[in-house]
Amino acid sequence: GDSVTQMEGPVTLSEEAFLTINCTYTATGYPSLFWYVQYPGEGLQLLLKATKADDKGSNKGFEATYRKETTSFHLEKGSVQVSDSAVYFCALTSIKAAGNKLTFGGGTRVLVKP
Amino acid sequence: DAGVIQSPRHEVTEMGQEVTLRCKPISGHDYLFWYRQTMMRGLELLIYFNNNVPIDDSGMPEDRFSAKMPNASFSTLKIQPSEPRDSAVYFCASSFPLGNEQFFGPGTRLTVL
Repeated sequence: GDSVTQMEGPVTLSEEAFLTINCTYTATGYPSLFWYVQYPGEGLQLLLKATKADDKGSNKGFEATYRKETTSFHLEKGSVQVSDSAVYFCALTSIKAAGNKLTFGGGTRVLVKP
Repeated sequence: DAGVIQSPRHEVTEMGQEVTLRCKPISGHDYLFWYRQTMMRGLELLIYFNNNVPIDDSGMPEDRFSAKMPNASFSTLKIQPSEPRDSAVYFCASSFPLGNEQFFGPGTRLTVL
């Protein structure tokens, strides 16, 4: 079945540091890929997405490129802020998955210190 | 739009009591999902509905859990009887029919003593 593996946290960084969170996936067909972010005390919200190979999703300074050859969708940000402290979830939905059912990774907690 | 609305935001109850969590999806969304989040198990899909019909409830942990969607604008997740191990944050999410982004509510934090 479909699965998503992402690096375990917590990841602790200083402000303005470079952030990378690795995500790899296993899926049948051609999945769409997502990064969701969960700020403390809130629900998940979509950060960015990519629907086909070589697409780059971007939002709020974050980027991720859909790499079919390596089945990866790593999240990057060049200069993090304290406000980026959150839990980040990589997810996919397969074209065969009814109802936009998402398969989530385990989440990576990121803590940015001033 | 107000987004997905969940109530209550916090619930504290005693073991053995019935708990009912409520969700109002975004208008026009015809898929509704219930998730549970814990430190130990992460984010788990419990059940989802399409056009008010349950499609996949394989994630529902036990018969103590039940979910209903009587109409397009309301769903409930009920736990009866509740147990301490049910303590978690429960999220509701909804999505468009042809899109593939889910919109999450703020969650209900359940504590069973």
